[in-house]
Amino acid sequence: GAVVSQHPSWVICKSGTSVKIECRSLDFQATTMFWYRQFPKQSLMLMATSNEGSKATYEQGVEKDKFLINHASLTLSTLTVTSAHPEDSSFYICSALENGDTQYFGPGTRLTVL
Amino acid sequence: AQSVTQPDIHITVSEGASLELRCNYSYGATPYLFWYVQSPGQGLQLLLKYFSGDTLVQGIKGFEAEFKRSQSSFNLRKPSVHWSDAAEYFCAVVPEGYSSASKIIFGSGTRLSIRP
Repeated sequence: GAVVSQHPSWVICKSGTSVKIECRSLDFQATTMFWYRQFPKQSLMLMATSNEGSKATYEQGVEKDKFLINHASLTLSTLTVTSAHPEDSSFYICSALENGDTQYFGPGTRLTVL
Repeated sequence: AQSVTQPDIHITVSEGASLELRCNYSYGATPYLFWYVQSPGQGLQLLLKYFSGDTLVQGIKGFEAEFKRSQSSFNLRKPSVHWSDAAEYFCAVVPEGYSSASKIIFGSGTRLSIRP
């Protein structure tokens, strides 16, 4: 199957700083990528849809100014958590859409904000 | 209400035993259907998917799933589980009428434990 990578796999930062997470599709081009957040023992919560060359579409309740998304190329989308706070600590997972019909997921990024 | 239901929150089976994980949905008669597996601290791995055609779908790691339109179900099966199958399993549905998997709905997941 298609491969999606995420970097970093885990990050610890101080409250008030910004953190950037990268999502790459390694063996296919993805005009659409997605960012999810997962709380312990829960399913995935879609945060936003990232479209190459255009603005991301955010789900209701997700602050677009806090979670900045850039989809600069057909293989790379980035999520920047700005002015991070402890409540932003979570597991963030990206996915990339292949052939318009299947999402392939990255390995996730564990964010801890102190 | 529209939903994807995985009625079993947690299942424990003995190593070597057979497995069936249940999934029911209410998003039309011909949705796209997926099963993903997530190991602790990892992302989701696609096990198999169904779009059309043969209703019995073979996936990776010896898993299979059967689409039953009359029951709105897409249950995941494996004839003999291995200790490495312990993980969280998610059923996911793209509702009928959506041509793209940009609209995917996940079930709440079933945690599988393996008894030695």
